[in-house]
Amino acid sequence: GDSVTQMEGPVTLSEEAFLTINCTYTATGYPSLFWYVQYPGEGLQLLLKATKADDKGSNKGFEATYRKETTSFHLEKGSVQVSDSAVYFCALSDSGSARQLTFGSGTQLTVLP
Amino acid sequence: ETGVTQSPTHLIKTRGQQVTLRCSSQSGHNTVSWYQQALGQGPQFIFQYYREEENGRGNFPPRFSGLQFPNYSSELNVNALELDDSALYLCASRSSGGGSYNEQFFGPGTRLTVL
Repeated sequence: GDSVTQMEGPVTLSEEAFLTINCTYTATGYPSLFWYVQYPGEGLQLLLKATKADDKGSNKGFEATYRKETTSFHLEKGSVQVSDSAVYFCALSDSGSARQLTFGSGTQLTVLP
Repeated sequence: ETGVTQSPTHLIKTRGQQVTLRCSSQSGHNTVSWYQQALGQGPQFIFQYYREEENGRGNFPPRFSGLQFPNYSSELNVNALELDDSALYLCASRSSGGGSYNEQFFGPGTRLTVL
């Protein structure tokens, strides 16, 4: 079945540091790929998405490129802020009617001032 | 526009009991999915409802069941609770039809503790 493997955390960075969180996937067909963010005590929020190979999703300074050849969707940000501290989940959605989301295990990011 | 809401926020039950969790979908959304998120893990898909019918199910036993109502709100029922059912239960809604992708919007979740 489909699966998502995500870089294990936790990750601790200083403010303005560069962030990379690795994500690779296994899927049949052509899934859509997502990054979700979960702030303490809140539900999941969609951060960015890419629906086909070579698409780049971007939002709030975060970027990720759908790489079919390496089955990867790594999350990057050039300069993190304290407010970026949260748990980040990589996910894929199959192309079936349910379009269920398959999530990675999450990466806890803490940004220190 | 009201987002996805869930009730209750927290719940404590004992092993063997039954529980019902509730979800109100975002306005205009006709599809509801439920996910289980164990501590320190990513959410796992339980099932999805569209037009009051279950149209997708993950690897969960039949004691996990659900309903969707004509106003698109939904319930998740879990019978014969086990300790491993302790988790955050997330509801997500989206609209179906039109375009190849419809974003899922998540509620804040219900934290269930089974003692």
